[in-house]
Amino acid sequence: DAGVIQSPRHEVTEMGQEVTLRCKPISGHDYLFWYRQTMMRGLELLIYFNNNVPIDDSGMPEDRFSAKMPNASFSTLKIQPSEPRDSAVYFCASRPPGGTSGNNEQFFGPGTRLTVL
Amino acid sequence: GEDVEQSLFLSVREGDSSVINCTYTDSSSTYLYWYKQEPGAGLQLLTYIFSNMDMKQDQRLTVLLNKKDKHLSLRIADTQTGDSAIYFCAESIGGGYQKVTFGIGTKLQVIP
Repeated sequence: DAGVIQSPRHEVTEMGQEVTLRCKPISGHDYLFWYRQTMMRGLELLIYFNNNVPIDDSGMPEDRFSAKMPNASFSTLKIQPSEPRDSAVYFCASRPPGGTSGNNEQFFGPGTRLTVL
Repeated sequence: GEDVEQSLFLSVREGDSSVINCTYTDSSSTYLYWYKQEPGAGLQLLTYIFSNMDMKQDQRLTVLLNKKDKHLSLRIADTQTGDSAIYFCAESIGGGYQKVTFGIGTKLQVIP
């Protein structure tokens, strides 16, 4: 299995531009999570999906952030318009159905490092 | 509410033991985890302990859980330079979907 795949790995953009981050979860996993990691705030959960349905988006910082999961193998996190304070590493993670893994392990992608100038 | 706290930084010499500590606030935790993040990579589950256990050992790793004090520790014996990474403590709470809350991470620096 290739694991969780994220693209791009690095993104540099200018303030005001739209940014789209992409994630392909592990096949068969029915939970998908988007996290943001910064030095100041550590790892923050932004939103998670179960069976492609957004369950909890309370961590999404502002309306500029939106996430979709059109099917079981693809999700996007969009920031429009982007701001310098959005600079961070964004991780996608997936998890097998409840009871399958027993310990609720989350499998993380390599992350997308976003820099907004 | 749930909160997981851990120190930010730990430095040890190669060959010594490392002990990374964590405290959590929710007494209804079901699983407690240690994830490892190597530079430029995502988090990877290192080990975990079920809340009804006190200790778990896995080769060089020893996890100790003190439920009374809500304290979790990770001991790495014979620390190697390859152990240099950020270590995240995390807890999961509840039935069904178990929300996982991560600490801020402890950066372990191993000095050769």
